[in-house]
Amino acid sequence: GESVGLHLPTLSVQEGDNSIINCAYSNSASDYFIWYKQESGKGPQFIIDIRSNMDKRQGQRVTVLLNKTVKHLSLQIAATQPGDSAVYFCAENQMKTSYDKVIFGPGTSLSVIP
Amino acid sequence: GAGVSQSPRYKVAKRGQDVALRCDPISGHVSLFWYQQALGQGPEFLTYFQNEAQLDKSGLPSDRFFAERPEGSVSTLKIQRTQQEDSAVYLCASSLGHLQNSNQPQHFGDGTRLSIL
Repeated sequence: GESVGLHLPTLSVQEGDNSIINCAYSNSASDYFIWYKQESGKGPQFIIDIRSNMDKRQGQRVTVLLNKTVKHLSLQIAATQPGDSAVYFCAENQMKTSYDKVIFGPGTSLSVIP
Repeated sequence: GAGVSQSPRYKVAKRGQDVALRCDPISGHVSLFWYQQALGQGPEFLTYFQNEAQLDKSGLPSDRFFAERPEGSVSTLKIQRTQQEDSAVYLCASSLGHLQNSNQPQHFGDGTRLSIL
């Protein structure tokens, strides 16, 4: 079936460097994507979202890029900090008849090296 | 509080026992979701409520799983005759809107970690 997946299960970066987390999706009809951050023992926390009519969206230290041609999504974190260590999930919005259903990918674990 | 609250945070039960997990969504949020998260995996959809109506229960693994939201606010996920494979973190999320394609992000609680011995 259609799903959202990630290219890399783990990523280690040096503190201060930029991080890039990638995500591939297969449902070309999806029109809304969300990135979540999950720290150990906590629930997923919304980071940033993007609609399919956009290519790029920026937040505080984070940027999401959407390439609809190749169905690819990425999350860029600038000046990565130890507090950024977590598992990052991309999620895809699938429209149902009465509500929007979010499908999560398997996640990428980001480790920041001090 | 301002966020989604789940209780208990941890639950240990013996195989065969029934358990009940509670979710208090953000006040005013129409939509409520339950997810199951296995270790090292992303959340897997279980069921969806729009106010008190359960509109989608396609993700419930078996008829041992039952969810309700009788007054359109607090929700309970019940698992009967628990089995070891039910061990997981159960997450609840709520969102403000319910309209199709409303693109509302979901707000998650910290989950209940269920361990079946």
